[in-house]
Amino acid sequence: QLQLQESGPGLVKPSETLSLTCTVSGDSISSNNYYWGWIRQPPGKGLEWIGSIHYSGSTYYNPSLKSRVTMSVDTSKNHFSLKLRSVTAADTAMYYCARVNLGNYGRRFDYWGQGTLVTVSS
Amino acid sequence: QVVLTQSPSASASLGASVKLTCTLSSGHSNYAIAWHQQQPEKGPRYLMNLNSDGSHSKGDGIPDRFSGSSSGAERYLTISSLQAEDEADYYCQTWGTGFHGVFGGGTRLTVL
Repeated sequence: QLQLQESGPGLVKPSETLSLTCTVSGDSISSNNYYWGWIRQPPGKGLEWIGSIHYSGSTYYNPSLKSRVTMSVDTSKNHFSLKLRSVTAADTAMYYCARVNLGNYGRRFDYWGQGTLVTVSS
Repeated sequence: QVVLTQSPSASASLGASVKLTCTLSSGHSNYAIAWHQQQPEKGPRYLMNLNSDGSHSKGDGIPDRFSGSSSGAERYLTISSLQAEDEADYYCQTWGTGFHGVFGGGTRLTVL
């Protein structure tokens, strides 16, 4: 069974960089059939797509966050990462990683992690 | 850019059926969407992908009580024989230009 687990600091200071990692178990991250994505959810609000990455390094970012986001993949560790620079209180959210399945039934987020809460505060 | 619109809330009685709606913005009525369920204090769970013709493919372990249908720009999620654990937020999601993910605002379902 595929599992995704987010990890990283739960508290980040304003203007600093938020760094998270998603470790994938139960499948290889190095498949042409998948992208890997980050989604966030501010407290009490809805879901916001941050970006997606393929193991080859191909990326797509939310235009509203693109100037501050970098995603990367480490195939040797079977994990992918998110960096969000110059954070403010508005970046306080639960951050989820998910698999984007490109298969026959349409592109979809078919597996999600449990999420990790990141608070931006001094 | 495509926009997905959902009613903020819905309610139905235990054992009854409920139909949630996700509306695609003008010019995007042929888009497929996905439905995701988020139970309280949990991460989202993929329910199904739903095409414009109403065909759908469900995620692993999703009960038959969950089904999808389409009409024009509307995409529906029907839950029958409602159970207490169906009380959750339901999000529709699609892909905009350039492989950009787009989510609806979500519908909070209350099981009475």
